[in-house]
Amino acid sequence: QDQLVQSGGEVRKPGASVKVSCKASGNTFNRNGINWVRQAPGQGLEWLGWISVYNGNTEFKEKFRGRVAMTRDISTRTAFMELKSLTSDDTAVYYCATSTGGVGGAFDIWGQGTMVTVSS
Amino acid sequence: EIVLTQSPGTLSVSPGARATLSCRASQSISSIHLAWYQQKPGQAPRLLIYGASSRATGIPDRFSGGGSGTDFTLTISRLEPEDFAVYYCHQHGSSPFTFGPGTKVDIK
Repeated sequence: QDQLVQSGGEVRKPGASVKVSCKASGNTFNRNGINWVRQAPGQGLEWLGWISVYNGNTEFKEKFRGRVAMTRDISTRTAFMELKSLTSDDTAVYYCATSTGGVGGAFDIWGQGTMVTVSS
Repeated sequence: EIVLTQSPGTLSVSPGARATLSCRASQSISSIHLAWYQQKPGQAPRLLIYGASSRATGIPDRFSGGGSGTDFTLTISRLEPEDFAVYYCHQHGSSPFTFGPGTKVDIK
């Protein structure tokens, strides 16, 4: 079954870092890579970046460069997103998402989301 | 960065009625890179339409997409109770990928 399962919610203090995992099953760990999207409470969707499963190449939205890292572990079919120097503005649900093919690269498989709360 | 603007922000519709949602891009997008998602409270987005007009697996035919260039539409022909949700357009052809701010479809 094509599925992405994310790690559980996290609470961090301002200035700290958080690392979220996304474990793939079925056909979800593929050449289309893993994208990371976040959604602040009551707000819309924001793409953070993408990692290639095959070679680990990454691409980030400019505002996150230098603060975000995306990695993957092929042996466990798991992708990771680490966000550093957290502020309250980073409080959001973080999703991983991918395209299983046949949908032109649109995101047809999403993880369940990981709530990250940044609070002192 | 390609900015996507959606209108209206909120659409109040009666069950069984037709709803037309608009998505406008700040520059031309290839249709193959325009998608629509539905999101309900507490859930991840669900892909409805890819390639501007193709329905994703399991999506009822009351959902249809169209448009090209900078102007795209999502039409729900006869609203069912489960269709009341927020809808986002998304372009995934030019980095950074972007989403529109969403259109909330609620019950009139």
